[in-house]
Amino acid sequence: AQSVAQPEDQVNVAEGNPLTVKCTYSVSGNPYLFWYVQYPNRGLQFLLKYITGDNLVKGSYGFEAEFNKSQTSFHLKKPSALVSDSALYFCAVRDMWRDDKIIFGKGTRLHILP
Amino acid sequence: DSGVTQTPKHLITATGQRVTLRCSPRSGDLSVYWYQQSLDQGLQFLIQYYNGEERAKGNILERFSAQQFPDLHSELNLSSLELGDSALYFCASSVAGRSAGELFFGEGSRLTVL
Repeated sequence: AQSVAQPEDQVNVAEGNPLTVKCTYSVSGNPYLFWYVQYPNRGLQFLLKYITGDNLVKGSYGFEAEFNKSQTSFHLKKPSALVSDSALYFCAVRDMWRDDKIIFGKGTRLHILP
Repeated sequence: DSGVTQTPKHLITATGQRVTLRCSPRSGDLSVYWYQQSLDQGLQFLIQYYNGEERAKGNILERFSAQQFPDLHSELNLSSLELGDSALYFCASSVAGRSAGELFFGEGSRLTVL
């Protein structure tokens, strides 16, 4: 069965600094990988996804993520953090061939300090 | 606005009761997913329907059931409610089942069991 791990419950970054939110995954086959963001009292919003091809994926709001097959990781990155990036971030995985489940990690709370 | 509508937004009920949560997917989306979000468990996958049929099942309790109707809206029924069922319940939709399509989430139904 597929699984996702987000090893950090919280990440603190100063405004203007680069940020990284970590994600590792486990699937039997090839993965589809996703990042979502959740603002307070809102539903999750899609940021970006990896299907195949280029290992660096660009998404909404200046975010990007790097797929690393050997390390089974899909870390979310942004070159320069904004205070408005403060939110809860979820990594998710679907096994391309096995079934339709999309499994989410527990989430990482990102605090951008002014 | 994701295009996914969930009702009710808030629900307060007592232990032992039964409630029904409703979800209308985005126009054209055939797949509906249900997730439970609680503080200690993160985002847990419950169940997925595709064009009226159950497609994948996660950690859904036997007290919970769901269905997707011919007009593609879905309902999640929660019965014999316990205090621990208090959570935010999300519905999400996507175009198809086994695809790389991202999920579009509703704003959630917050259930409080007293």
